[in-house]
Amino acid sequence: GAVVSQHPSWVICKSGTSVKIECRSLDFQATTMFWYRQFPKQSLMLMATSNEGSKATYEQGVEKDKFLINHASLTLSTLTVTSAHPEDSSFYICSASDGRGGWDTQYFGPGTRLTVL
Amino acid sequence: GDSVTQMEGPVTLSEEAFLTINCTYTATGYPSLFWYVQYPGEGLQLLLKATKADDKGSNKGFEATYRKETTSFHLEKGSVQVSDSAVYFCATHTGNQFYFGTGTSLTVIP
Repeated sequence: GAVVSQHPSWVICKSGTSVKIECRSLDFQATTMFWYRQFPKQSLMLMATSNEGSKATYEQGVEKDKFLINHASLTLSTLTVTSAHPEDSSFYICSASDGRGGWDTQYFGPGTRLTVL
Repeated sequence: GDSVTQMEGPVTLSEEAFLTINCTYTATGYPSLFWYVQYPGEGLQLLLKATKADDKGSNKGFEATYRKETTSFHLEKGSVQVSDSAVYFCATHTGNQFYFGTGTSLTVIP
């Protein structure tokens, strides 16, 4: 149980285009979803937290107009990277929580590798 | 905020060897401490956790003890298997946020 999927697993796009990444909780209702990014040889860094039906809360330094997060249902959250540039190339990971186990119980997706040319 | 420093990899061991992956942290409060494991193509999975000083987390033969005096949470396993090959992440959790280390890749060869 508690499986989180991400789609696509990897994507290559041209500079200036937008890319949407989906995060789905397959067998539970995700009241809260989290988006992280990871640069090579660096830690996962939290980008934003979203609750179903509410606007996402972004971490300091994360551009909310560039990284659009939509948590429209209890099983789906999307991250759209708008007007992507090569510096946005990274590994994006989502996690989800059903709220039962507390803030530290999160189930992670396998990640999406974005390469912007 | 918190920060986590863990042993750089990659680490390559023979089957049945002893494993230690070092992890130290800095935190302003009293974090819970975690080890996550990521197998190829899969998401991070919780391996073990400890919520207070001197607690020992254990799972699947892995152990880690919350050492407040040395701010450490080293991961150990007495006899690794090929199936333990994965990337291991140390993390703290304070408030409502995780802070992760950079991950240590482990390869176990037969």
